This record gives sequence, structure tokens and C-alpha cells, in this order.
Amino acid sequence: GESVGLHLPTLSVQEGDNSIINCAYSNSASDYFIWYKQESGKGPQFIIDIRSNMDKRQGQRVTVLLNKTVKHLSLQIAATQPGDSAVYFCAENMGPGRRALTFGSGTRLQVQP
Amino acid sequence: GAGVSQSPSNKVTEKGKDVELRCDPISGHTALYWYRQSLGQGLEFLIYFQGNSAPDKSGLPSDRFSAERTGGSVSTLTIQRTQQEDSAVYLCASSPGAVGTGELFFGEGSRLTVL
Repeated sequence: GESVGLHLPTLSVQEGDNSIINCAYSNSASDYFIWYKQESGKGPQFIIDIRSNMDKRQGQRVTVLLNKTVKHLSLQIAATQPGDSAVYFCAENMGPGRRALTFGSGTRLQVQP
Repeated sequence: GAGVSQSPSNKVTEKGKDVELRCDPISGHTALYWYRQSLGQGLEFLIYFQGNSAPDKSGLPSDRFSAERTGGSVSTLTIQRTQQEDSAVYLCASSPGAVGTGELFFGEGSRLTVL
């Protein structure tokens, strides 16, 4: 399918390396954050989430770090694989009780074999 | 079905025509969202349905856009008098409850091209 986000910031890594994707979120009242992965021509897929009462959460090969002081979120992918190539979006809820997620503009991850 | 289903997957229309996009959420999910994704952009929130509550329409860009959800399940997004700037991928998502209670499950999207 047609690529999404032809003009997105791009991170290029070698297969097997660790990747770090960064996101600056906008609202200090946000208390829930999610990382999504979007492959070309597909809808976004959930990767991992974190609440504001935590500063780190680990999943399988992925870790999310939250720094509320500087409103910064990062996604770390260990031992990056070609299948990890996609556009990655962070999303925030913009505060308790808000009913929709607000998404960032995304980062393209390219994994070189 | 097993996931969120959207139709049509691709729609090409002429400027000024009306279009309808359909979303079948995951069975049992009470929350349904519509987002729009333009080329090179993130996801732009359009509208949110939760159970029998009044929908949150705060993201709809103009009164040409409307959506309904019948019987708490299927939703239709209607765009009247389409314009070229409406060209985008329209994504539907559902979740078991409100934001923060679980992830959003997205469909594959409906790609709209307005000539």
C-alpha cells in the first residue's frame, strides 16, 4: 500500500541494534500515554502504554520511558528487526476525563539488514 | 468479526459529491472513534461515541462532516459536498471502554481521494 508520512522524521538503524524513538507531548495534564506502530497501508497497532504514575514500563523487546518534568516520552526497541520498520506514533489523553487520544506526528523507523 | 472492519477500503470521488464510510467495531466494544490521517501527518481526531452518551463531535472540521452510530454498533461517517482537502485515510477504532481503560483497536482505514 501507499506509504503514510512521506515527510516524517526518520531514524535509520542496523538490524540487531537498539532503537530509541522520542516524543515530546503537549499537555502536562495528560495522565495516559500509548505508543502505536503503523505499517504501510495498515491501521495503527498498539505497542505499549504507560500511566503518569509510572516512569518506566517494559514489554517484550520494548520499553517506554516517561519524563513528566520535561513532558518527554521515549520508546526503546531492543535488538531491532526488519519487521520493526514502520511509523511510530505516541499518543496522550490530554488529561483525566478526556475522551479521545491526541496523536503526535510520528517517526519513521527504517531497519537496515 | 475478529477486528475492526472498514469499508470501502478505497473511494475515489469527484469534488462536490457526498461519500459515506462505514465502520464495524469489535463486538462488545462500547467506544468508537473516527480519526483522519492526511499524507505526512499524524492522526486527527474527528468524533467519539461511547455507549448511549451524546457523541463528542469536537474534532469534526466543518458541518459537511457528520457521523452516526446505530444500535451501539456500526458507525457511518458522512462527508457532504466533498472537497479536495478531504482526501485522506479515515481510520475507525474501537475500545472496550473509555480512554485509559484499554487500547484502541484500529481498522485498516478507508482511503478517500477527491478529484
